[in-house]
Amino acid sequence: QKEVEQNSGPLSVPEGAIASLNCTYSDRGSQSFFWYRQYSGKSPELIMSIYSNGDKEDGRFTAQLNKASQYVSLLIRDSQPSDSATYLCAVKVSGGSYIPTFGRGTSLIVHP
Amino acid sequence: NAGVTQTPKFRILKIGQSMTLQCTQDMNHNYMYWYRQDPGMGLKLIYYSVGAGITDKGEVPNGYNVSRSTTEDFPLRLELAAPSQTSVYFCASSQTSGGVWNEQFFGPGTRLTVL
Repeated sequence: QKEVEQNSGPLSVPEGAIASLNCTYSDRGSQSFFWYRQYSGKSPELIMSIYSNGDKEDGRFTAQLNKASQYVSLLIRDSQPSDSATYLCAVKVSGGSYIPTFGRGTSLIVHP
Repeated sequence: NAGVTQTPKFRILKIGQSMTLQCTQDMNHNYMYWYRQDPGMGLKLIYYSVGAGITDKGEVPNGYNVSRSTTEDFPLRLELAAPSQTSVYFCASSQTSGGVWNEQFFGPGTRLTVL
């Protein structure tokens, strides 16, 4: 079974710090990687997508992909209390249909 | 664009009742999905569709049925509701383009309680 693993947390960081969220996956043929943010009681919304090895930056967010080690991470710089949410990692594993596999999510708490 | 819309937002069912959760997207996406999310858990795929007239089972299809007669609509039918179907249901859509797998867009969810 192709799996996506995340530490459920909670990860607690002070305001202004860097939050580091990690995700590992088992399928070496995985192709597309996504980070979603989900506030309590709300639906997931896309934060970042990454398709090739290396870093991708968007504002305070940086996604890092290492296919050789089979992990993808999300860094949040200058963390704000409004960043407190659950972060879901989704991986498009190898195969024809686009059926992404989701991790269980990491709960992030940014305290003032 | 409204994106992905779902109705109803909330519903309480009695054991054994049936209902249909509605989902509509206006982005002309080819893929549509139904997920359920239990408290503190991740998303579990119930059914998905790769286009009008084509549906397939996901991880947890038992007790549910779907149809996709148009690109826009993907209703989820619950037959003989059971307490184990108490959950939050999310509909999502996405578009494949030139072999690139794009992100999913999620609806606001339907919170269902079966008593």
